[in-house]
Amino acid sequence: AQSVTQPDIHITVSEGASLELRCNYSYGATPYLFWYVQSPGQGLQLLLKYFSGDTLVQGIKGFEAEFKRSQSSFNLRKPSVHWSDAAEYFCAVGAYNDYKLSFGAGTTVTVRA
Amino acid sequence: GAVVSQHPSWVICKSGTSVKIECRSLDFQATTMFWYRQFPKQSLMLMATSNEGSKATYEQGVEKDKFLINHASLTLSTLTVTSAHPEDSSFYICSARDPGPRDTEAFFGQGTRLTVV
Repeated sequence: AQSVTQPDIHITVSEGASLELRCNYSYGATPYLFWYVQSPGQGLQLLLKYFSGDTLVQGIKGFEAEFKRSQSSFNLRKPSVHWSDAAEYFCAVGAYNDYKLSFGAGTTVTVRA
Repeated sequence: GAVVSQHPSWVICKSGTSVKIECRSLDFQATTMFWYRQFPKQSLMLMATSNEGSKATYEQGVEKDKFLINHASLTLSTLTVTSAHPEDSSFYICSARDPGPRDTEAFFGQGTRLTVV
């Protein structure tokens, strides 16, 4: 069975500071990993995804994530957050060629001025 | 990315009535669509996988007679919440898979907020 754990329910960060969101997954085969962002009352926007190759993945809005197989992790980072980055962030895992995703519980990011 | 549209964006209905939510792929043909449910402040839970021209595959614990899914064309899947009750109030989101060159992710709709009163 596949599962995703996001240990941090809520993170508060100052504008301009760096941000790291943790994600650990459990999956029996090679995982497809995704990070999505959701603004209140909205759908999901894909930030980045990992299938294979370079373990450091660049995404939109200045986000990046690093896949570490030995730690079963896929943490999301941003060097300098903007107030518009305040949102809910979801890590998800799926099988190769199958987009039936298992989502983590999500991390709420609050950005303070 | 590809465009997936849900309609309506929000709906309020009376307890006991049925509500239909549409999920359309606007610029591609989606052989597979997925329906998720999201409770307030919680994550998304997969309800079912919808395959064009065949019966939907429901996840464990999801009542197939309660949540009717129809995927009659390559661009449209519908979720009908039958005899809705207040506990069915939730945010429903669909995603669709583009089997063409962009087949590296599922594209999400904007979601439908259902409130049953």
